[in-house]
Amino acid sequence: QKEVEQNSGPLSVPEGAIASLNCTYSDRGSQSFFWYRQYSGKSPELIMFIYSNGDKEDGRFTAQLNKASQYVSLLIRDSQPSDSATYLCAVGGVDDKIIFGKGTRLHILP
Amino acid sequence: DTEVTQTPKHLVMGMTNKKSLKCEQHMGHRAMYWYKQKAKKPPELMFVYSYEKLSINESVPSRFSPECPNSSLLNLHLHALQPEDSALYLCASSQDGTSGGETQYFGPGTRLLVL
Repeated sequence: QKEVEQNSGPLSVPEGAIASLNCTYSDRGSQSFFWYRQYSGKSPELIMFIYSNGDKEDGRFTAQLNKASQYVSLLIRDSQPSDSATYLCAVGGVDDKIIFGKGTRLHILP
Repeated sequence: DTEVTQTPKHLVMGMTNKKSLKCEQHMGHRAMYWYKQKAKKPPELMFVYSYEKLSINESVPSRFSPECPNSSLLNLHLHALQPEDSALYLCASSQDGTSGGETQYFGPGTRLLVL
């Protein structure tokens, strides 16, 4: 059974600080890793994807992947109230599926 | 353009009704997906089409019937649903579904309520 684990939160972070979201996965054969942001009542929106070990930066977002530890994280710098949402970690393997974690609720405190 | 569109946005139906959800993408993607999402839960995969052929059916009850008329369109036909089928139904698309774990782009979803 392939699993993707996330802390459900809520994770409360002061405005302007760095929010750090973590995710672990069970399948060592996983090849692709995604972070989606989902506002309440809306559909998931792709924030980042990463395929290789290391860091990938896009604006205020940095995804970090460590395949040896089966760990992927998302850092959000200069957190804004509009970043308050549920963040879904998703992991893809060799088939057509991506497996979603249960999501972490992030709350940015003004 | 990474847009996937879905209609209708909201749907209320009785348990004896027949209705259809529609999804469309014009990104040239050849893989399309249906997901079901209940409140405070992650999306659950229902069906995957790759090159207009059903490649994955996650043991979904037959009251849900997918159809892929062409590479841009995906339908989900609903018949004799139960109240527990009330959820947000999400459509997604990706490049072609052949290289595994591709980036999927989601539509806005259809919020379904079964009475």
